[in-house]
Amino acid sequence: GDSVTQMEGPVTLSEEAFLTINCTYTATGYPSLFWYVQYPGEGLQLLLKATKADDKGSNKGFEATYRKETTSFHLEKGSVQVSDSAVYFCALSDPRIQGAQKLVFGQGTRLTINP
Amino acid sequence: EAEVAQSPRYKITEKSQAVAFWCDPISGHATLYWYRQILGQGPELLVQFQDESVVDDSQLPKDRFSAERLKGVDSTLKIQPAELGDSAMYLCASSGNTIYFGEGSWLTVV
Repeated sequence: GDSVTQMEGPVTLSEEAFLTINCTYTATGYPSLFWYVQYPGEGLQLLLKATKADDKGSNKGFEATYRKETTSFHLEKGSVQVSDSAVYFCALSDPRIQGAQKLVFGQGTRLTINP
Repeated sequence: EAEVAQSPRYKITEKSQAVAFWCDPISGHATLYWYRQILGQGPELLVQFQDESVVDDSQLPKDRFSAERLKGVDSTLKIQPAELGDSAMYLCASSGNTIYFGEGSWLTVV
């Protein structure tokens, strides 16, 4: 079945450092790809998404590019802030399923940014 | 901004008791999901509704879990009897073109 693998955490960086969180996927079709963020004690918020190969999703300084050839969707940010501390989840959904978007999540990567 | 509403936010219950969670999706969203997130892991789908019909409950432990969405709007997830391993966050989500999550309901079974 479809699956998502994220780099293991936790990841600890200093403020203004460059961030990369790796994500690779396995899917039989051409899934849509997502990054969700979860702040402490809260639900998940959609950070960005891409629906086809070579699409770049971006939001709040974060970017991720849908790479079909490497089945990857790595999350990057050029200069992180303390407020970016959270757990980040990579996910996919199979657009072949009409009228539904079943999300398959990775295990999450905890990010801590130190001032 | 429209939100997915969930209650209660926190629930502590004793083993073998019954517990229920409620979800009100974003208005107009026909698809509603219940996910379970065990601490330190990613969410896993328990059940998916399209309007009032269940379209996927393959991962729902049906011996103790039940879910309903009688009028195709709000939904209730019930656990009876609760077990220690049910301690987790229960997330409700709804979708139009994009899936939006509620803040979740934390369950601790003691």
